Amino acid sequence: QKEVEQDPGPLSVPEGAIVSLNCTYSNSAFQYFMWYRQYSRKGPELLMYTYSSGNKEDGRFTAQVDKSSKYISLFIRDSQPSDSATYLCAIYTGNQFYFGTGTSLTVIP
Amino acid sequence: ETGVTQTPRHLVMGMTNKKSLKCEQHLGHNAMYWYKQSAKKPLELMFVYSLEERVENNSVPSRFSPECPNSSHLFLHLHTLQPEDSALYLCASSQVPDREKEKLFFGSGTQLSVL
Repeated sequence: QKEVEQDPGPLSVPEGAIVSLNCTYSNSAFQYFMWYRQYSRKGPELLMYTYSSGNKEDGRFTAQVDKSSKYISLFIRDSQPSDSATYLCAIYTGNQFYFGTGTSLTVIP
Repeated sequence: ETGVTQTPRHLVMGMTNKKSLKCEQHLGHNAMYWYKQSAKKPLELMFVYSLEERVENNSVPSRFSPECPNSSHLFLHLHTLQPEDSALYLCASSQVPDREKEKLFFGSGTQLSVL
């Protein structure tokens, strides 16, 4: 079983839609959860991080962690064409990072 | 210059060539990493230099050789690569040890093609 599982998509939505991106993880001891955004031909950039269950909001982005289900989500409200990118979930165990395969998102104007 | 800078951005090499990838971080971090990113696969950690100690993924072939002369510079030396080594090679840095350790900062990567 992989440490982190992520639906690769691709996902295509109209501008203004609410986007939901999801990952599951295998080990309930994992504590730190992150979302990275990667534009084409660029490296990943840290978008959101959290180290507890519940929601964390930053502008149009909300990161959600459900430790009981071992499920993490990223919600994007009022999606924009500039949100078109690949989104990677990541987990830090205390000494190692595990990444999902990434979900490719396209927001159509 | 800010952040993490990688050169070259693109590299095409034959299987018998020797080349090096370069990474420089301007964030004052004390740990640097090499990751390999292939299509539809998770980021694969290749090497870590943290507090002057090197940690490596034992599955990385010996044709990849890292070098970290100081905490700001990292190299990946390549020789006799195979076509399956074609991928995006990402350098990252972080500050250890403290809570910020969970934050990796990536460069833009070197897109490597092996012919």
